Amino acid sequence: QQQVKQSPQSLIVQKGGISIINCAYENTAFDYFPWYQQFPGKGPALLIAIRPDVSEKKEGRFTISFNKSAKQFSLHIMDSQPGDSATYFCAAQPIFSGGYQKVTFGTGTKLQVIP
Amino acid sequence: GAGVSQTPSNKVTEKGKYVELRCDPISGHTALYWYRQSLGQGPEFLIYFQGTGAADDSGLPNDRFFAVRPEGSVSTLKIQRTERGDSAVYLCASSLLAGASGGELFFGEGSRLTVL
Repeated sequence: QQQVKQSPQSLIVQKGGISIINCAYENTAFDYFPWYQQFPGKGPALLIAIRPDVSEKKEGRFTISFNKSAKQFSLHIMDSQPGDSATYFCAAQPIFSGGYQKVTFGTGTKLQVIP
Repeated sequence: GAGVSQTPSNKVTEKGKYVELRCDPISGHTALYWYRQSLGQGPEFLIYFQGTGAADDSGLPNDRFFAVRPEGSVSTLKIQRTERGDSAVYLCASSLLAGASGGELFFGEGSRLTVL
């Protein structure tokens, strides 16, 4: 059972454009939603995260939008740069309701930003 | 460095052999996780340790997989009678529990296992 669905599978964006990646979850026990960035040959690294009591969180060029009623959230990368080319994973955790921090990942979006 | 260290970075073995993968977490991190990442997929949860004990091993695919963390620091993932389907990158992560960090996982670079 895929608990976190992610789309698109791949994305090509021109430099300076906006990259948008969407995720949806099913388990209402999830209460923390991080995004991880992974470069080839490296482990995933936390990029930005949101709790469901807010609808948006912005850090620099990266913004998470969260819709609790629809159980959907998305990552927006403004002014996309070639250095942003990586695979992005949305994830969900039951931190405050599950007693521990099991992270469930989406399937990933491979982003390529072309000059 | 002070990050999560995994060894070996690459392991090629033959079907049926036994394999051990080692993870050295960030000092002071009590939580340790093993994930498996197949090509083009997201990391798949295998097991979670809180201290020395396995708090959740629900992701281990079968009894050929076993992990230990005897002193609450270094962990070893053990795979018996390897099969070609076990080929993947095995990721280890550690984290601090609770707190303002909200449970960020710090991943190592992974051990790439290839079973011929």
